[in-house]
Amino acid sequence: QVQLQESGPGLVKPSETLSLTCDVSGGSISSYSWSWIRQPPGKGLEWIGYISYSGSTNYSPSLKNRVTISLDTSKNQFSLRLSSVTAADTAVYYCARGQGYEFDFWDQGTLVTVSS
Amino acid sequence: QSALTQPASVSGSPGQPITISCTGTSSDVGSYIYVSWYQQRPGKAPKLMIYEVSNRPSGVSNRFSGSKTGNTASLTISGLQAEDEADYYCSSYTSITTWVFGGGTKLTVL
Repeated sequence: QVQLQESGPGLVKPSETLSLTCDVSGGSISSYSWSWIRQPPGKGLEWIGYISYSGSTNYSPSLKNRVTISLDTSKNQFSLRLSSVTAADTAVYYCARGQGYEFDFWDQGTLVTVSS
Repeated sequence: QSALTQPASVSGSPGQPITISCTGTSSDVGSYIYVSWYQQRPGKAPKLMIYEVSNRPSGVSNRFSGSKTGNTASLTISGLQAEDEADYYCSSYTSITTWVFGGGTKLTVL
């Protein structure tokens, strides 16, 4: 059974870059697609972007100017970078596996707070 | 792209059926079978309940079913149980090869 585990700082200063990594175990990253999804406190889910096993990416139109998702197949992990963060980027960030056109495995989520 | 529209809350008594709607546009829900539903309990990650409009992953109760008409998808839970109390989100693939979620619906079991 595939498992996802995030790592990264829980506190980021305004205007800086948020960086998270998701380690994939129990299966190869060289299949499926891999997405980042976030949830501001008390609010709904927002899809951020995805990367395919071949490395192609697509991002939410509202975030695409600030987002980069990358894949490291040698480490079986993928990463998120979100630049120029503000308080509005405070959220629980999830990494998830894309099986077809749905998200079938999620990690437990990481709260990232943007504050000075 | 705008979030899909869901009712903020629904409620029902144990044993009764409830339906949660999810309204999009011809650029997402109306054009694709790629509508999925997720259950999220407090403090937990979302769990896939329905994919491709009406398919259940292995292990999901057959009390959960999905359907779609035009730009609106629906999740129905028959025989409501206390354990079904949670937030529910729909999601759809879109014409610009992105995904969009609904705003979420809080289900209360009375």
